[in-house]
Amino acid sequence: QKEVEQDPGPLSVPEGAIVSLNCTYSNSAFQYFMWYRQYSRKGPELLMYTYSSGNKEDGRFTAQVDKSSKYISLFIRDSQPSDSATYLCAMIDQAGTALIFGKGTTLSVSS
Amino acid sequence: ETGVTQSPTHLIKTRGQQVTLRCSSQSGHNTVSWYQQALGQGPQFIFQYYREEENGRGNFPPRFSGLQFPNYSSELNVNALELDDSALYLCASSFDSQLTEAFFGQGTRLTVV
Repeated sequence: QKEVEQDPGPLSVPEGAIVSLNCTYSNSAFQYFMWYRQYSRKGPELLMYTYSSGNKEDGRFTAQVDKSSKYISLFIRDSQPSDSATYLCAMIDQAGTALIFGKGTTLSVSS
Repeated sequence: ETGVTQSPTHLIKTRGQQVTLRCSSQSGHNTVSWYQQALGQGPQFIFQYYREEENGRGNFPPRFSGLQFPNYSSELNVNALELDDSALYLCASSFDSQLTEAFFGQGTRLTVV
């Protein structure tokens, strides 16, 4: 079992839809949960991170962490064509030196 | 755009050759991490350098090696290239290993033929 599992999609939605992206993980010691956006031929860009459990909101983006279920989510409200990208979840390892990434989910928002 | 720059952007090498990839950190950052991202996969941690010392290593063979210089720029060297080494190589810089504040470069696309 991989430490971080993420459905690669692809996921296609119409403009204005609410998008839900999810990851599961196996190591209960993870404390930091990150979401990155990666456009084609670019490096990952940090969208937001959450420490431990709970919700965090930044504009149209909301991150949720449920440590009891080892499940994290990213919600995108009022999705835009510019949101079309690959979304990667990641956790910081116990040593604090490495990011452990999921496979990424490819999202396409059509106008 | 982040302040992290990588060179070259694209590279084609033959199996068995050696390659050096370069990364210039964002100003003020003293930590550099390298990741390998195969097509359709998430990035995988290769190693991290903090103040010129290796500070952590992922599950990569010794033919993957690195250096960090006094100005905190970094190199990734890969010897005896294999076809499976074809990937996007990413570096990320941060201050004092603060991964929540790490910025990625645009990557170097390596193709091994």
